[in-house]
Amino acid sequence: DTEVTQTPKHLVMGMTNKKSLKCEQHMGHRAMYWYKQKAKKPPELMFVYSYEKLSINESVPSRFSPECPNSSLLNLHLHALQPEDSALYLCASRASGGQFSYNEQFFGPGTRLTVL
Amino acid sequence: AQKVTQAQTEISVVEKEDVTLDCVYETRDTTYYLFWYKQPPSGELVFLIRRNSFDEQNEISGRYSWNFQKSTSSFNFTITASQVVDSAVYFCALSFMDSNYQLIWGAGTKLIIKP
Repeated sequence: DTEVTQTPKHLVMGMTNKKSLKCEQHMGHRAMYWYKQKAKKPPELMFVYSYEKLSINESVPSRFSPECPNSSLLNLHLHALQPEDSALYLCASRASGGQFSYNEQFFGPGTRLTVL
Repeated sequence: AQKVTQAQTEISVVEKEDVTLDCVYETRDTTYYLFWYKQPPSGELVFLIRRNSFDEQNEISGRYSWNFQKSTSSFNFTITASQVVDSAVYFCALSFMDSNYQLIWGAGTKLIIKP
């Protein structure tokens, strides 16, 4: 089962709201990713978790706060966002392993976020 | 510099035509990984193929085929007998073990298949 699920599918929030995006995978993958994608652009990496520890933070503003409660779950907490943060937020997972392991990332369907 | 170039911004063909999407990459590393992803209008990125740098064998999967040529640093993707359902944005990407397999993305090619 190569499935990554994300909720909600759509989210509209005001600049003073607090909301969370959720991502789940049951493939036993130990690396999980958050990406932000603007229209007509490739995804931009935000955060990487490896074995439930934050390993990469691509200088993302503190109004985005990731959390990895366990190996299957990844959350992205949102607070005081700006209209320019409106985008498609994608979660992905990858099987961790050595040089010869499968290292492709599997993506969820994304959450379309609109900040008013 | 490590970079992926997809020079074709948009391609439009009529259904049943064959179409090739180009991908050129730059790296000095000898071990790397190349990928193709499909992103239909719904937004989900669908993994299509991974190719390791030490495996230059071309691959065919149904109507899809991939031509990996290290000599020209290219990893091109051909769809034979295209169908309307193939309409999507296609991304080529590059990754390395040393960088925790972070993906370096091409700009993407929007493929429009007209009925």
